[in-house]
Amino acid sequence: DAMVIQNPRYQVTQFGKPVTLSCSQTLNHNVMYWYQQKSSQAPKLLFHYYDKDFNNEADTPDNFQSRRPNTSFCFLDIRSPGLGDAAMYLCATSLTPGQGTDTQYFGPGTRLTVL
Amino acid sequence: GQNIDQPTEMTATEGAIVQINCTYQTSGFNGLFWYQQHAGEAPTFLSYNVLDGLEEKGRFSSFLSRSKGYSYLLLKELQMKDSASYLCAVCDSNYQLIWGAGTKLIIKP
Repeated sequence: DAMVIQNPRYQVTQFGKPVTLSCSQTLNHNVMYWYQQKSSQAPKLLFHYYDKDFNNEADTPDNFQSRRPNTSFCFLDIRSPGLGDAAMYLCATSLTPGQGTDTQYFGPGTRLTVL
Repeated sequence: GQNIDQPTEMTATEGAIVQINCTYQTSGFNGLFWYQQHAGEAPTFLSYNVLDGLEEKGRFSSFLSRSKGYSYLLLKELQMKDSASYLCAVCDSNYQLIWGAGTKLIIKP
């Protein structure tokens, strides 16, 4: 089945210790998104890629970086996690950007705990 | 600024009908999405409206009025598995999704 996969599902890290979250997709979608979602809050878009074209949201902290080495994979790097970065990180894909009907499909998420 | 408003929490009884409202103020409009999100899981797509009116899909229906900046999600014949958060999201003029904080729906037997 075509899908969006995230690893790991649960990640525990120490304050200040870099961590990388991964996302892969078999949908062959052009666009990949990274969202941060805290409890009972709306998902917050961090960045998105249209193919290799990187788009950073204006309020995404410099502590967050992303890489997309190929169509299928996308990584979220948190260089120095703080306690405030504990959240669910959601990866999503869509076929094309800029199309109102273009549905985003989500992976299961990675829940990050910072000790 | 851009804003999506939904009730924080609603409670309903198994077998009943519930309507979850969403009002929005965005810079432009290119459609409205409803997603379901179970606790600790990712959102899953439920519906998309871009024209005024009602879209029906099984037990779930979604309504849109663009002139009023208003949508609702109607759930019929509620089941316990419908207990989840329901997120309203609007695609703005830049084709970015603006998300509401979600409505937590509690179903009681």
